[in-house]
Amino acid sequence: DAKTTQPPSMDCAEGRAANLPCNHSTISGNEYVYWYRQIHSQGPQYIIHGLKNNETNEMASLIITEDRKSSTLILPHATLRDTAVYYCIVRVRGSQGNLIFGKGTKLSVKP
Amino acid sequence: GAGVSQSPSNKVTEKGKDVELRCDPISGHTALYWYRQSLGQGLEFLIYFQGNSAPDKSGLPSDRFSAERTGGSVSTLTIQRTQQEDSAVYLCASSRGLLAGYTDTQYFGPGTRLTVL
Repeated sequence: DAKTTQPPSMDCAEGRAANLPCNHSTISGNEYVYWYRQIHSQGPQYIIHGLKNNETNEMASLIITEDRKSSTLILPHATLRDTAVYYCIVRVRGSQGNLIFGKGTKLSVKP
Repeated sequence: GAGVSQSPSNKVTEKGKDVELRCDPISGHTALYWYRQSLGQGLEFLIYFQGNSAPDKSGLPSDRFSAERTGGSVSTLTIQRTQQEDSAVYLCASSRGLLAGYTDTQYFGPGTRLTVL
């Protein structure tokens, strides 16, 4: 699976959009981009995934650049409960087995 | 529907004792994973079960660690002769596995916090 790079930390004001970047410059054509988050003292929570088209669900939007070398997770109206570590993971389509978590981005939503 | 559940939520034990941690996956999920997370650290893979296949034990840190999955559902992670460095949060996840097709999303339980005194 391709390696990802994320900033170690970010701040966001409550009610504003949180935009979390992820670089995956070595991604190959059959690899998906997944996002998980881990709120303090909880297990990781699946957020969203995509291949090349932008995706949106009830939690977030995922914007993948045309060359697929980077992506951005968007939380449109961040709340204090969105404070968490956010992990960007690249994974081959159809692959099984364990996820490889990096260090992620610690998002702090401030009032 | 019900998510992944784990028990106990907290376990305090003395060095040298054996412990068993339990995971109930989401109904119908054929794949089950164990990870651990030491304080301030990332998630470390331990073991992966897929259906009736032999498990992938490549992440187990020592032979004191073992896991079983009975009837393709509930799993138990056993740590024998616990050491202080075993203190961590042990997380279980499940997924649809080979039934998932192109993408296989893992869903995590709340974890068991193990403290070895």
